Amino acid sequence: DAGVIQSPRHEVTEMGQEVTLRCKPISGHDYLFWYRQTMMRGLELLIYFNNNVPIDDSGMPEDRFSAKMPNASFSTLKIQPSEPRDSAVYFCASSFMGSQPQHFGDGTRLSIL
Amino acid sequence: EDQVTQSPEALRLQEGESSSLNCSYTVSGLRGLFWYRQDPGKGPEFLFTLYSAGEEKEKERLKATLTKKESFLHITAPKPEDSATYLCAVQADQVQGGSEKLVFGKGTKLTVNP
Repeated sequence: DAGVIQSPRHEVTEMGQEVTLRCKPISGHDYLFWYRQTMMRGLELLIYFNNNVPIDDSGMPEDRFSAKMPNASFSTLKIQPSEPRDSAVYFCASSFMGSQPQHFGDGTRLSIL
Repeated sequence: EDQVTQSPEALRLQEGESSSLNCSYTVSGLRGLFWYRQDPGKGPEFLFTLYSAGEEKEKERLKATLTKKESFLHITAPKPEDSATYLCAVQADQVQGGSEKLVFGKGTKLTVNP
């Protein structure tokens, strides 16, 4: 079975540019999560969706961050404008029912110069 | 606020040298405790879920246990391929105000030398 698919795997861009990260969850999963991982803070939840509806976005750091889930098989995380402190690895995860294990993609390594 | 603390931060073992990783947690009400393995450049890979104190789960050389305040990941006779970062996460009980979110510790980086 295909796992969670994220693109791009690596992104290098200059400060001020718009960045869009993409995620395809596992088919049949009704929860989708976006996380950010840094050395200092570890793995932190940014936002999660249930049946395409955002449920908790309290982890989104600023208004520069936005996330959408237009359908059950696709989600985006957008940063506009990007800043060097946004450099991190961004992971998408999905699960069937909230209490079931979350399955992670291999992440997008984002570098903002 | 829910918190997870993992120790040690890093652990070096010789092949065959058994040891344990610790995960201490503070949560309003525990819905589940999750162990993940993360290899460099990869996303976390699910290992176990534990739901109540006294519960144990095993998979190959790994065994996870749970008490009311902490969880241990025991590694028996490890091999070099067990080298990875092991992450622990808790999910709070929704009845007590929790949600579907996982709160992660910072992980233990395990290196097993041949």
